[in-house]
Amino acid sequence: EPEVTQTPSHQVTQMGQEVILRCVPISNHLYFYWYRQILGQKVEFLVSFYNNEISEKSEIFDDQFSVERPDGSNFTLKIRSTKLEDSAMYFCASWYQETQYFGPGTRLLVL
Amino acid sequence: DAKTTQPPSMDCAEGRAANLPCNHSTISGNEYVYWYRQIHSQGPQYIIHGLKNNETNEMASLIITEDRKSSTLILPHATLRDTAVYYCIVSATYSGGGADGLTFGKGTHLIIQP
Repeated sequence: EPEVTQTPSHQVTQMGQEVILRCVPISNHLYFYWYRQILGQKVEFLVSFYNNEISEKSEIFDDQFSVERPDGSNFTLKIRSTKLEDSAMYFCASWYQETQYFGPGTRLLVL
Repeated sequence: DAKTTQPPSMDCAEGRAANLPCNHSTISGNEYVYWYRQIHSQGPQYIIHGLKNNETNEMASLIITEDRKSSTLILPHATLRDTAVYYCIVSATYSGGGADGLTFGKGTHLIIQP
């Protein structure tokens, strides 16, 4: 069964550094999403992406975040200058036939 | 904020049916009811969804009341591996395909007892 995959599974970075989180959505899915979950808190929507542009974004998705689909398979989330409060699980999802399917997540730790 | 209300926790004996309730009294006519679950910090796992009719798949059954203001997720024979946080979410889809980002609440922590 096709799955959404994410790399890396874990990433540790220093405050102020740039990180790129990668996702490979399920083939033939057209809408892509990023969510985050701070430890012990709810899963929060960040951004949706369709046809090579942002479709919707939340208040969390500020200028330090960007998304890109650099080729036909990868979907990336870039955090330009990480802060301590960016430490969280980041989940990618893709949408097909009324349903969003989530990847396993990347655990980001900012020191 | 989430448009659904769920009990924060529930227990169920292994092998019995687990019935998880959800209230969504302000649901709109074009919004689906989705159920996901999350085991530890893994990615949310899709379980089932429905619009008006009851639905069943290999994982669960979804019972939606006629007025669509509440629903129940049924896991027919719960196992220890079903221990997880279960999220009930209402969301519309775009007419041409796609959907808004999902709004997760705190969900129900279902604990299956041996």
